Amino acid sequence: AQSVTQPDIHITVSEGASLELRCNYSYGATPYLFWYVQSPGQGLQLLLKYFSGDTLVQGIKGFEAEFKRSQSSFNLRKPSVHWSDAAEYFCAVALNNAGNMLTFGGGTRLMVKP
Amino acid sequence: NAGVMQNPRHLVRRRGQEARLRCSPMKGHSHVYWYRQLPEEGLKFMVYLQKENIIDESGMPKERFSAEFPKEGPSILRIQQVVRGDSAAYFCASSPSGTAGEAQYFGPGTRLLVL
Repeated sequence: AQSVTQPDIHITVSEGASLELRCNYSYGATPYLFWYVQSPGQGLQLLLKYFSGDTLVQGIKGFEAEFKRSQSSFNLRKPSVHWSDAAEYFCAVALNNAGNMLTFGGGTRLMVKP
Repeated sequence: NAGVMQNPRHLVRRRGQEARLRCSPMKGHSHVYWYRQLPEEGLKFMVYLQKENIIDESGMPKERFSAEFPKEGPSILRIQQVVRGDSAAYFCASSPSGTAGEAQYFGPGTRLLVL
């Protein structure tokens, strides 16, 4: 079955430390890939997206993500985490032959220690 | 340029009542998507609409749920005879043209609580 998996439900990092959030997908073809962030009680904000081309994608707020076809992964990274990055992060995919609806992973809740 | 607007932000209903959730897309966007987020879960697609058309409702429960996006006015997600399991956050997103892979912009959500 087609799916999006975020293996880590919770992650805690110290402020200033590096961050990597994992995302794996299971689809026959390469989908369109997205990362969204959700602050408590808020909607989702788009961080970055990948369609094709350069496999390292830069986003807002200092985030980047790398697409690895061989691993069916699209991991989100940030070299130095700020306390304001504490939030829930969602990986999502859209198939190029199935309209534009998004399929989301279960989310990773990031906590930042001072 | 206003973003996606949803109202109400919070809605409390008793079992058996009706819930109406409204979504106004971003200016210039004619494609609307509704998603539901159950507690401690990710978002699940419900329905995709264009003006006056339902394009894909494969994620909608077969009973009690309906959606519309009229020529004028906001998109409405309607839940009849609500049950406790309908308690969730309902998010609306919009995009300009509905092209596959086009970024969707989300509203702040409506948090529905069924007592």
